[in-house]
Amino acid sequence: QKEVEQDPGPLSVPEGAIVSLNCTYSNSAFQYFMWYRQYSRKGPELLMYTYSSGNKEDGRFTAQVDKSSKYISLFIRDSQPSDSATYLCATPTDSWGKLQFGAGTQVVVTP
Amino acid sequence: DVKVTQSSRYLVKRTGEKVFLECVQDMDHENMFWYRQDPGLGLRLIYFSYDVKMKEKGDIPEGYSVSREKKERFSLILESASTNQTSMYLCASSLVGRETQYFGPGTRLLVL
Repeated sequence: QKEVEQDPGPLSVPEGAIVSLNCTYSNSAFQYFMWYRQYSRKGPELLMYTYSSGNKEDGRFTAQVDKSSKYISLFIRDSQPSDSATYLCATPTDSWGKLQFGAGTQVVVTP
Repeated sequence: DVKVTQSSRYLVKRTGEKVFLECVQDMDHENMFWYRQDPGLGLRLIYFSYDVKMKEKGDIPEGYSVSREKKERFSLILESASTNQTSMYLCASSLVGRETQYFGPGTRLLVL
């Protein structure tokens, strides 16, 4: 079983809709969670990170962690065509900085 | 701005060829990583280096080797390329103990 599971999609939504992305993880010791965004033919870039349980908001983006169910979520409000990308969840697996990534979910926002 | 560059965006190689992929970062990061990215499988760690001349195997090191002679440069070597190594290869760097990794644009390798 992979340590971080993520549905690869694709997820297609109309412009202005809320995008909901999810990952599950298996190791309850994971404390810190990240979302990376990857545009087509580019490398991933860090979008958001959050510690432990709770919410973190940054503009139209909200990241949530539910440690009791080992579930992390990313919500995109008022989605735009420019949000079309692959979104990857990730968590550190050691103190050196190695990350375990989910498979990535491809999001397509149609005008 | 952190900049991670990779030597090629696209490469086409023949089975059995020795392939070198180079990565350079300009932010004095201690950690450097090589991943491959395949549809439905996400990013899988091939090798990791936390210092010059230091390397550690990742999840899928078979068929690959690495070299880190200078802090800013991390090379991935395919000793004898095979068709199942056709993939997108991504290099990343980070400060030691810091979780944020900065990625290069990737090299799309096709092995015929």
